[in-house]
Amino acid sequence: DQQVKQNSPSLSVQEGRISILNCDYTNSMFDYFLWYKKYPAEGPTFLISISSIKDKNEDGRFTVFLNKSAKHLSLHIVPSQPGDSAVYFCAARGMNYGGSQGNLIFGKGTKLSVKP
Amino acid sequence: DSGVTQTPKHLITATGQRVTLRCSPRSGDLSVYWYQQSLDQGLQFLIQYYNGEERAKGNILERFSAQQFPDLHSELNLSSLELGDSALYFCASSRGTDNEKLFFGSGTQLSVL
Repeated sequence: DQQVKQNSPSLSVQEGRISILNCDYTNSMFDYFLWYKKYPAEGPTFLISISSIKDKNEDGRFTVFLNKSAKHLSLHIVPSQPGDSAVYFCAARGMNYGGSQGNLIFGKGTKLSVKP
Repeated sequence: DSGVTQTPKHLITATGQRVTLRCSPRSGDLSVYWYQQSLDQGLQFLIQYYNGEERAKGNILERFSAQQFPDLHSELNLSSLELGDSALYFCASSRGTDNEKLFFGSGTQLSVL
């Protein structure tokens, strides 16, 4: 069963508008969340993260929102640019038995296309 | 450029064969992670090494094994290959073990025919 879900395989937005990518998770023990961006023929690159003790983190055009009660996070890109066209992966960090930090669990990704 | 080097970029082989994927982490990084991305799947965690020792294990098949050498490079060995093993295999590295920010290589595309 998927613990991290990105229910939209693709998203298309106009340049200059807001892109909102969504991610849902099932495990309330996740303590850290990240977004990665992936261009074709490249590996994923880190974009932005948020700790479970926060509900918002902002970095330039990128903002991540965390709603723990809904087990939902979202990535907002404002304004969207054609260079933002990529696959975006949501990831969550679990906790191992005994309390140590666990590995990252990734969603399947959402392909964002920003049209000029 | 993430600083993580994976070789080869592409690998085509036949069922039943064995292959080795190689990864050199970023300078100074002690942790190496292996992930598998199959068609329409997210990145599946396989295994993590930290400073030469196995740190965590994910959904890694018994036919697969890995190791991290004293110079910190890592190899992922895949044996008795099946068609379903065709996937993109990523290596990532990080400074410590906290899984907060991983740097990924560009991957090895494995095709089993």
